[in-house]
Amino acid sequence: NAGVTQTPKFRILKIGQSMTLQCTQDMNHNYMYWYRQDPGMGLKLIYYSVGAGITDKGEVPNGYNVSRSTTEDFPLRLELAAPSQTSVYFCASSYGTGNSPLHFGNGTRLTVT
Amino acid sequence: AQSVTQLGSHVSVSEGALVLLRCNYSSSVPPYLFWYVQYPNQGLQLLLKYTSAATLVKGINGFEAEFKKSETSFHLTKPSAHMSDAAEYFCAVSDRDYGGSQGNLIFGKGTKLSVKP
Repeated sequence: NAGVTQTPKFRILKIGQSMTLQCTQDMNHNYMYWYRQDPGMGLKLIYYSVGAGITDKGEVPNGYNVSRSTTEDFPLRLELAAPSQTSVYFCASSYGTGNSPLHFGNGTRLTVT
Repeated sequence: AQSVTQLGSHVSVSEGALVLLRCNYSSSVPPYLFWYVQYPNQGLQLLLKYTSAATLVKGINGFEAEFKKSETSFHLTKPSAHMSDAAEYFCAVSDRDYGGSQGNLIFGKGTKLSVKP
C-alpha cells in the first residue's frame, strides 16, 4: 500500500520557469490537499480538493494552480517560479473532514534561484 | 477563526526524562485536535487525535495528550523520552462544522524536540 506518492523529491528551478509537482494516492480518498512548509512557519494550505473536478483555494494560493481530473491525482502547477516559492511542498489526502486524519506524502523540496 | 499556538519552537530533554510539548488553541466551536510528528526528510504522521470521546488521548509510541477545555490546551506528553523521539511535532485544530471554505486543518508552527543521551 503506497499511500500518498509525490514526485519529484527534489527540484531546482530558475526564476520564471514552470513545473508541475505530481501527487497520487491509492486510498480512494475524496479529499486532497497541497501544503507548503517553511522553517518555523508550520504548514500553510495552498489548495485543496473535495473530489474529482472540484478544487478551491487555501490560505496561500497565489502563484499556483491545481487540477483534479481523477480521484487519485492532484497535481500542483507553478507558473513563473519566484524565489518566494522556495519551500518544501507536501501533498496529503483524507477520507473526510473534521476528525479524519491527513495522510501525507514525503514531500518535494523545491529551490528557485 | 481557529488558531493554534505551540509554546517553544525548540525543546531539549535528556533520554528518560519527561517530554512535555505545549499546545493552545482557539476555536469558536468544540474542536477536533491532532498531534502530528515529522521525522527528518519525511511527511507528517498522525500521533493522536481528540474527538471528544475521552479527554485523555493515547497515541502511538507512548505519547498521550489531555484536552482541557477550561485552559484551551492540548499538551503532548511522554513519561520517558527515547532517542528515537527526536523529531518535529505539530499541533493542529479542525472545526467540527467544517464547511470547506478554508481547508481542513490549521497547524501550529511546530516544536522541534531534541533528546540528549
